[in-house]
Amino acid sequence: QKEVEQDPGPLSVPEGAIVSLNCTYSNSAFQYFMWYRQYSRKGPELLMYTYSSGNKEDGRFTAQVDKSSKYISLFIRDSQPSDSATYLCAMSATYNQFYFGTGTSLTVIP
Amino acid sequence: DTGVSQNPRHKITKRGQNVTFRCDPISEHNRLYWYRQTLGQGPEFLTYFQNEAQLEKSRLLSDRFSAERPKGSFSTLEIQRTEQGDSAMYLCASSSTSGGSGEQFFGPGTRLTVL
Repeated sequence: QKEVEQDPGPLSVPEGAIVSLNCTYSNSAFQYFMWYRQYSRKGPELLMYTYSSGNKEDGRFTAQVDKSSKYISLFIRDSQPSDSATYLCAMSATYNQFYFGTGTSLTVIP
Repeated sequence: DTGVSQNPRHKITKRGQNVTFRCDPISEHNRLYWYRQTLGQGPEFLTYFQNEAQLEKSRLLSDRFSAERPKGSFSTLEIQRTEQGDSAMYLCASSSTSGGSGEQFFGPGTRLTVL
């Protein structure tokens, strides 16, 4: 079983839609959670960082962590064509090693 | 603060050759990570440094791979006797133990093609 599972998509939505991206994980020790956006052939760009459980909001982005279900989510409100990218979740129990999902490919159609 | 930088950005080599990549982290960051990413996959952890100490190394990492961070600043990743399966994007990331919450910031990556 992989440490982190993420639906690769692809996911296609109309401009202005709310996007929901999710990851599940198996290691209950994970406590650091991050979401990245990656454009083709570029390095990942950090979007959201969450420690332990709870919600965090930053502009159009909201990250949620449910440790009891081993499930994390990223919501994008009022999606824009510029949001079209691959979204990666990442998590860790300590700072020594981070585990990434495979990424979800998102296309926002104008 | 110019972010994490990596050089070269692209490297094409022939099978069997050695290659070396360099990573310069964000200046105040003492944690440094190397990852490998292939098409359609997320980054795969290779190794982790805190200052100059290599504290974690993936069990999947071949003996042909070695990384150093001699003065706790920049780091190098060397691949000896490259194989076609080494073709990938090699990513470096850094973070800080002091003050901040440990967010990890990535460089642009070095794309390796082994012919």
